[in-house]
Amino acid sequence: GAVVSQHPSWVICKSGTSVKIECRSLDFQATTMFWYRQFPKQSLMLMATSNEGSKATYEQGVEKDKFLINHASLTLSTLTVTSAHPEDSSFYICSAARRGWKNQPQHFGDGTRLSIL
Amino acid sequence: GDSVTQMEGPVTLSEEAFLTINCTYTATGYPSLFWYVQYPGEGLQLLLKATKADDKGSNKGFEATYRKETTSFHLEKGSVQVSDSAVYFCALNYGGSQGNLIFGKGTKLSVKP
Repeated sequence: GAVVSQHPSWVICKSGTSVKIECRSLDFQATTMFWYRQFPKQSLMLMATSNEGSKATYEQGVEKDKFLINHASLTLSTLTVTSAHPEDSSFYICSAARRGWKNQPQHFGDGTRLSIL
Repeated sequence: GDSVTQMEGPVTLSEEAFLTINCTYTATGYPSLFWYVQYPGEGLQLLLKATKADDKGSNKGFEATYRKETTSFHLEKGSVQVSDSAVYFCALNYGGSQGNLIFGKGTKLSVKP
């Protein structure tokens, strides 16, 4: 079964709205979570790396004031798209790394499809 | 910087055909290599991985061998099924689970009955 839960799976909202996406590790502690963005028919691009209890590290070109990431606990990271606009429409996917399991693969959520009207 | 290059898709095959999806990488160090599969409307699932040169990853009839000399990690399956239709991503990373993944652009596979 799924070990990483991402919610919501699909959201449609008006331009200017802020949208929060949650990524939860269900049965393990995740010291590190990654947020990716996938445009249609393209690959996943890393947006930011989220470490529990510290500020997220953003990739070049990703606006940290636009995409707010919070990793307040070892099982939850959130991505908030602030004042979303149509160009923010995309598929957002998180992944989580198990604490202490360095040689194990990351676990991915099922993604959130965001559509801004 | 590091990068992953996959063959362009889409790839369309008949059921029971042989599949090869090419993947090559550019790396400054010694990464781990992965194949992920994404079924329509879903997130990514790890298909197989290899952590060092000459390792072979295998799962569900799929195989890929880490070739350092050719910097490749080609995905193969001897006999595809309709249920294998999906998008396949080749990826690399460092640092085990704590390192972010660098993905190729993905290859869409469609298998016809």
